[in-house]
Amino acid sequence: LAKTTQPISMDSYEGQEVNITCSHNNIATNDYITWYQQFPSQGPRFIIQGYKTKVTNEVASLFIPADRKSSTLSLPRVSLSDTAVYYCLVGDGTALIFGKGTTLSVSS
Amino acid sequence: NAGVTQTPKFRVLKTGQSMTLLCAQDMNHEYMYWYRQDPGMGLRLIHYSVGEGTTAKGEVPDGYNVSRLKKQNFLLGLESAAPSQTSVYFCASSPSYNEQFFGPGTRLTVL
Repeated sequence: LAKTTQPISMDSYEGQEVNITCSHNNIATNDYITWYQQFPSQGPRFIIQGYKTKVTNEVASLFIPADRKSSTLSLPRVSLSDTAVYYCLVGDGTALIFGKGTTLSVSS
Repeated sequence: NAGVTQTPKFRVLKTGQSMTLLCAQDMNHEYMYWYRQDPGMGLRLIHYSVGEGTTAKGEVPDGYNVSRLKKQNFLLGLESAAPSQTSVYFCASSPSYNEQFFGPGTRLTVL
């Protein structure tokens, strides 16, 4: 299972773009990169998933370089409600490792 | 659709007691998972299942057993509860390698 490393915490202000980078040096060929969001007292919620290059949905963008050893979750124009823990996961879906995630705090 | 439901929502046990947590999903997903989350920590995978009748160990399987007799249900059992098993337990399901859908969690306290 590929291990991931991401910052423990990040601070931002409303309206700013936030980029959270995750490193996964030993990612395997079959592994996908998936990001989840978790609010207090709730289960995690899927944000976005990708294999290579760039993926965009209505919530975020995911940038993956050619070597796939890292990935960046980009949240455009964050709001107070984006304050949460963000997890980067790497795997083929059968047994994912969540880690401690990145706590994003958004202030007004 | 109810999605993923967990029963019970809260439970208090005494050391040595046993209990079973029930996870049910109505999305016809093949994969199901049990995680635990301790304060300030990420989720740790206990056991998972890739289909009816199958189970596999995750990161922290000791002290837990699971069963997947029906595709829609995934049971987590504690045979002899210990204070170290005080945690929030989350169940999830997924159709395959992609997104997991999580239940609301079960808060378990072992005294």
